Amino acid sequence: GQNIDQPTEMTATEGAIVQINCTYQTSGFNGLFWYQQHAGEAPTFLSYNVLDGLEEKGRFSSFLSRSKGYSYLLLKELQMKDSASYLCAVRDSNYQLIWGAGTKLIIKP
Amino acid sequence: NAGVTQTPKFRVLKTGQSMTLLCAQDMNHEYMYWYRQDPGMGLRLIHYSVGEGTTAKGEVPDGYNVSRLKKQNFLLGLESAAPSQTSVYFCATGWRDVTDTQYFGPGTRLTVL
Repeated sequence: GQNIDQPTEMTATEGAIVQINCTYQTSGFNGLFWYQQHAGEAPTFLSYNVLDGLEEKGRFSSFLSRSKGYSYLLLKELQMKDSASYLCAVRDSNYQLIWGAGTKLIIKP
Repeated sequence: NAGVTQTPKFRVLKTGQSMTLLCAQDMNHEYMYWYRQDPGMGLRLIHYSVGEGTTAKGEVPDGYNVSRLKKQNFLLGLESAAPSQTSVYFCATGWRDVTDTQYFGPGTRLTVL
């Protein structure tokens, strides 16, 4: 079966750095996505990785290791508005997105 | 531009009732998707469409039907609602390009009693 694992919840302090991990086992791999979802709102696209390595986009970076079936999302200089759920999704061999349950990130002052 | 809109935002049904959820987009995207999101679970694909007049089943299609008569609209129907269909429903749109970014509507919160 296909499976994506992420921690259910994480807590971090405003101004700090947090790393959200995602491990996956899917039928094929055609890219990994991170989305942000604020409570009661729709998911919005954050990043896309298809090759191994780090993709940096402002305060957010995403890393991929295909051989390990592993990715992480790194958030720097945390702000209160970063309190949200972060969804990891993998595009499988059929080009369908398989979604993790999401990691709820709580930012404390 | 409105982007992706969904109608209605909230709905309460009784078991056995039927309803249709409407997704509309003005982004000229070919691909449209219907997902459901339940607590503690990832988004699950119900049905999707790769273009006007075409539809296909996703991961959890049972109990739902869809139609894509116009490129900009994607309808999700529940013929006989069940409590297990209580969920938040999201429509998403996109192109099948390299990044396959999906753009989501605001969601419909459905409760079936």
